[in-house]
Amino acid sequence: QLQLQESGPGLVKPSETLSLTCTVSGGSITSGGYYWSWIRQPPGKGLEWIGSINYSGTTYYNPSLKSRVSKFVDTSKNQFSLKLSSVTAADTAVYFCARGSGIYVGDYFDYWGQGTLVTVSS
Amino acid sequence: QPVLTQPPSASASLGASVTLTCTLSSGYGGYKVDWYQQRPGKGPRFVMRVGAGGLVGSKGDGIPDRFSVLGSGLNRYLTIKNIQEEDETDYLCGADHGSGRNFVWVFGGGTKLTVL
Repeated sequence: QLQLQESGPGLVKPSETLSLTCTVSGGSITSGGYYWSWIRQPPGKGLEWIGSINYSGTTYYNPSLKSRVSKFVDTSKNQFSLKLSSVTAADTAVYFCARGSGIYVGDYFDYWGQGTLVTVSS
Repeated sequence: QPVLTQPPSASASLGASVTLTCTLSSGYGGYKVDWYQQRPGKGPRFVMRVGAGGLVGSKGDGIPDRFSVLGSGLNRYLTIKNIQEEDETDYLCGADHGSGRNFVWVFGGGTKLTVL
């Protein structure tokens, strides 16, 4: 059974860079050509897609966040990561990592991590 | 890009049926929508994909037969029959749009289902 687990600091200061890692277990991040995504959920609000990447490095970013986001895949550790720069309080959210169900970036998300809360505060 | 609108809350009695609605903004009647179930403190769970013609593909793993979908116009419906206590949670809808640099996933605000 595939499992995803987010990790990273729970508190980030304004203007700094948020860094999160998603560790994939029960399967290889390089098999199947799937897309690996980051999605966030501000407290009490709906989901916001951040971006998706596949193991060959093809990336898609939310245009509203693109200037601040970078993602990369570490195949040796079976992980993928997110960096979000110049954070503000508006970036406070639960951050989820997820896998797309197929090789198209628009395939539904079939596996999700449980999420990690990141608070932006001084 | 489409905007997905969901009522913030819905309720139904134990054993009854309820229909949840995800409404696409005007002009996007041909779009498919994915339904997710989200329990507190957990990542969402895929339920089903629905287009204007109904179910697209297969249900998510372990989704009971009590769950079904329909599509009509701008609306994408998730119906739950014989509601159980375990169905009380949040339901979200999402859709993909565009391609290349303009690709984006959008989501509705979610509906909190209460079982009476």
